[in-house]
Amino acid sequence: EAQVTQNPRYLITVTGKKLTVTCSQNMNHEYMSWYRQDPGLGLRQIYYSMNVEVTDKGDVPEGYKVSRKEKRNFPLILESPSPNQTSLYFCATQAAGGDTQYFGPGTRLTVL
Amino acid sequence: AQSVTQLDSQVPVFEEAPVELRCNYSSSVSVYLFWYVQYPNQGLQLLLKYLSGSTLVKGINGFEAEFNKSQTSFHLRKPSVHISDTAEYFCAVSDRGFQKLVFGTGTRLLVSP
Repeated sequence: EAQVTQNPRYLITVTGKKLTVTCSQNMNHEYMSWYRQDPGLGLRQIYYSMNVEVTDKGDVPEGYKVSRKEKRNFPLILESPSPNQTSLYFCATQAAGGDTQYFGPGTRLTVL
Repeated sequence: AQSVTQLDSQVPVFEEAPVELRCNYSSSVSVYLFWYVQYPNQGLQLLLKYLSGSTLVKGINGFEAEFNKSQTSFHLRKPSVHISDTAEYFCAVSDRGFQKLVFGTGTRLLVSP
């Protein structure tokens, strides 16, 4: 079954404590992306990756890092989380030459 | 830069009534348009997409949308809604490469008996 998985699904943490949200896909898609969803703002792109070792900033990259060492994984790293990063995070994937992004189930992050 | 406007943040409707969720986009180049649905506590699921060809696009769960280039709109419609259609609906626009989706702010559809 084609899947995009995210872990953890829910996380409550404190300001400044480094955390990683993982994203994994089994569809062999080249393109992966991270979005955050906030009330009244819709989804905004944080970072994306066109392929292994190729990443680029989206619209709201401040405070986030990503890496793409393997095709299937695209972790989102918050080195020093702050309360304004409290949000719902989605990973998405897309095949090269494809026209549709497939979304993971989301990770709800609360930073106290 | 591309942008998407969803004019209604919330649309209440009774079961079996028709519904239209409005979406307007802003772009000076060819656009590709999408509607995604997000059920409570779930991820986003593609409802339908317009890439080219017929301006009337049919999607899953009985939804359809019409691409109107002159009005820069891509409104979503369903002739008769069910309770299970209660969800948040997002309109999105993409460029030719399809790699960047720009989303609207979402419309919450509330279907009551």
